[in-house]
Amino acid sequence: KNEVEQSPQNLTAQEGEFITINCSYSVGISALHWLQQHPGGGIVSLFMLSSGKKKHGRLIATINIQEKHSSLHITASHPRDSAVYICAVGSSGTYKYIFGTGTRLKVLA
Amino acid sequence: EPEVTQTPSHQVTQMGQEVILRCVPISNHLYFYWYRQILGQKVEFLVSFYNNEISEKSEIFDDQFSVERPDGSNFTLKIRSTKLEDSAMYFCASRKQGAVNEQFFGPGTRLTVL
Repeated sequence: KNEVEQSPQNLTAQEGEFITINCSYSVGISALHWLQQHPGGGIVSLFMLSSGKKKHGRLIATINIQEKHSSLHITASHPRDSAVYICAVGSSGTYKYIFGTGTRLKVLA
Repeated sequence: EPEVTQTPSHQVTQMGQEVILRCVPISNHLYFYWYRQILGQKVEFLVSFYNNEISEKSEIFDDQFSVERPDGSNFTLKIRSTKLEDSAMYFCASRKQGAVNEQFFGPGTRLTVL
C-alpha cells in the first residue's frame, strides 16, 4: 500500500470549475506539501501545511491531521492550471519527501 | 530570488558508463536531497545529505550510487555503471536548517541510458 494516496489520478474540467484534489497518508509527518509539476518536468512548491488551511490566490489547501487527509482546491480554474499536482509528506527525521502518484489536471477552455 | 540549479539538463549515456549529475543548492541551505522520477511514475527519494554525510538513503541508492559535496557550492550524484533502468529525471533539492522547512527543487536532469 502506498504511504501517500491521491485521488483522482486524472481530472478534466471546464474553465471556471471548482476543482478538488484529495490526499491521504498513512505515516507520521512533519508537514504536508502540495507541489505542481508542469510538462517540462520542473517541480514547484505550492503549499506547506502542518495544520489548518492556507490560501494563495485561487488555490486553497487544507489539512486534517487527525484524519490524515489533505485537500487542494482550485477556484475558477483556468487552462493555465493544467499540470500534475503532487501531494508529498515530509517524514520525521531527515524530512525527506514521500510523494503521492500525482493528479493530472487538464482544464479545457 | 535564489534557486537550485542543476546541470546538465539532459544527459545521454551508454550503458555501463559513469555519469555525474551536478546541483548547486541555495547558498544558506544545509540539507540536500536527490530524488528520481522514472517516466510515468511517481517521484522517489534516493538520498539525503547533511553535514558532509549521508543521513538517509533508500533501497534504490545501492553501491552504484554516491553523493559528494566537493566544495562549498556543488552537490553531486554519481552513478558508477549506468543501467537502462537508471533512465529517469533526477531532481536535487535543498532546504534550510529547522524542523519544518520546505524543500526547493532544481529543474531536474533527464538521464537517458542507451
